[in-house]
Amino acid sequence: QQQVKQSPQSLIVQKGGIPIINCAYENTAFDYFPWYQQFPGKGPALLIAIRPDVSEKKEGRFTISFNKSAKQFSLHIMDSQPGDSATYFCAAYPGTASKLTFGTGTRLQVTL
Amino acid sequence: NAGVTQTPKFQVLKTGQSMTLQCAQDMNHNSMYWYRQDPGMGLRLIYYSASEGTTDKGEVPNGYNVSRLNKREFSLRLESAAPSQTSVYFCASSDRLHTDTQYFGPGTRLTVL
Repeated sequence: QQQVKQSPQSLIVQKGGIPIINCAYENTAFDYFPWYQQFPGKGPALLIAIRPDVSEKKEGRFTISFNKSAKQFSLHIMDSQPGDSATYFCAAYPGTASKLTFGTGTRLQVTL
Repeated sequence: NAGVTQTPKFQVLKTGQSMTLQCAQDMNHNSMYWYRQDPGMGLRLIYYSASEGTTDKGEVPNGYNVSRLNKREFSLRLESAAPSQTSVYFCASSDRLHTDTQYFGPGTRLTVL
C-alpha cells in the first residue's frame, strides 16, 4: 500500500499565526495532491489541490507548496482564524490503476 | 440539491449482527466510495465503484460487501459485525475515479458491542 506520511498529528496556533502541515510520499508516480478539511461531525471537503507541474498554489489564505525532489508537500494557512479549526488531511494519487491515499490527519486548533 | 446523503447517522450493533449502510448522491457522479475513519488512521478506503455495475476492493475490504444498486446508490453491508468495525463510515462520490474532487456525506457513526 502506497504511503503518505502526515505531520504533525495536532497543532495549536494563535489567531493570525501561520500553521504549516507537512506530508511526504514515497512513490514518484504520484501526480495529484489534494487537501481536505473536516469540521467536527461533518464529512471531509476538498480545500485545495495541486499537480506536480507547479511548485505552489494559492487559494485565498491557503497555500500548497510542493517539492518534487524531496517528495514533500505542505499546507500553509495565512492569517489563521478560529474558524479554521478543523482536521486537515493530505492525500496523493499514484496514477492509473491505483487509489487515492490519505494521510492520517492533523487536528488544528486556532486560539484567540 | 442534497449532495451525498447517508443513513443512518448513528447505529449500535451487537457482535454478529448484520446491517446495511445506505448512501445516495444526486450529482450524477459516476464513481462512489466507502471509507472508514478511525483515530490516528485517517481515511481508509473500503470499497469503491468506478461506475454503475462495477465494484472493487480498497485498502480494508475484509468483513464488508457492497452493492452499486444504480448510478445514485451505493450500499455497504456488514454481514457479521465485529468490535473492530466500530468506526465512522463515510460515503463519497466523484465524477471521475480518484482524481476528481470527492464529495463526502455526513457519515455514519457505528458502534459494535
